[in-house]
Amino acid sequence: AQSVTQPDIHITVSEGASLELRCNYSYGATPYLFWYVQSPGQGLQLLLKYFSGDTLVQGIKGFEAEFKRSQSSFNLRKPSVHWSDAAEYFCAVDTGRRALTFGSGTRLQVQP
Amino acid sequence: DAGVIQSPRHEVTEMGQEVTLRCKPISGHDYLFWYRQTMMRGLELLIYFNNNVPIDDSGMPEDRFSAKMPNASFSTLKIQPSEPRDSAVYFCASKTSNTEAFFGQGTRLTVV
Repeated sequence: AQSVTQPDIHITVSEGASLELRCNYSYGATPYLFWYVQSPGQGLQLLLKYFSGDTLVQGIKGFEAEFKRSQSSFNLRKPSVHWSDAAEYFCAVDTGRRALTFGSGTRLQVQP
Repeated sequence: DAGVIQSPRHEVTEMGQEVTLRCKPISGHDYLFWYRQTMMRGLELLIYFNNNVPIDDSGMPEDRFSAKMPNASFSTLKIQPSEPRDSAVYFCASKTSNTEAFFGQGTRLTVV
């Protein structure tokens, strides 16, 4: 069965610092890959997605992610974090059955 | 489009009572998903529909849970009888085969 691992439960960064959130998946082929963000009390909002093609994908709010097949990874990055980026971030995969399998999430805290 | 609409946003009920959660997917979307989010288990897929037909209900925890999709614009998730361990946030999401999943704001269920 497919699985998604987000090894960092909680990350704290200073405002203006760069950010990288890690995501690894376990699946025999290349799945569709997603990053979602969830603010407290809210639903999940899509940041970006990878279906095929260019392995570096751009998303909303200045986020990007790079798909690395050799590492089965899809890490999320942002060059300069804003206080409003504080939220929980979820990596997810769709292996073709159309439903998403989510990682356990990474909670981002931003220090002023 | 107003997005995926879930009701109610919050529900507090007593153990043993029946609870019905409602979802209106985005018009034109032919996939509908029900997820549950808890601190202990994260985001779990409960059931999903394609063209109003249940495709995979293996995530439904017990016979106390049931879901229906009588038409393309409405779905319900019912818990009868409810138990305190059912307390969670329940999300509905919809998509087409070529898009990402769009999530509703969720229903926070508390069973006392």
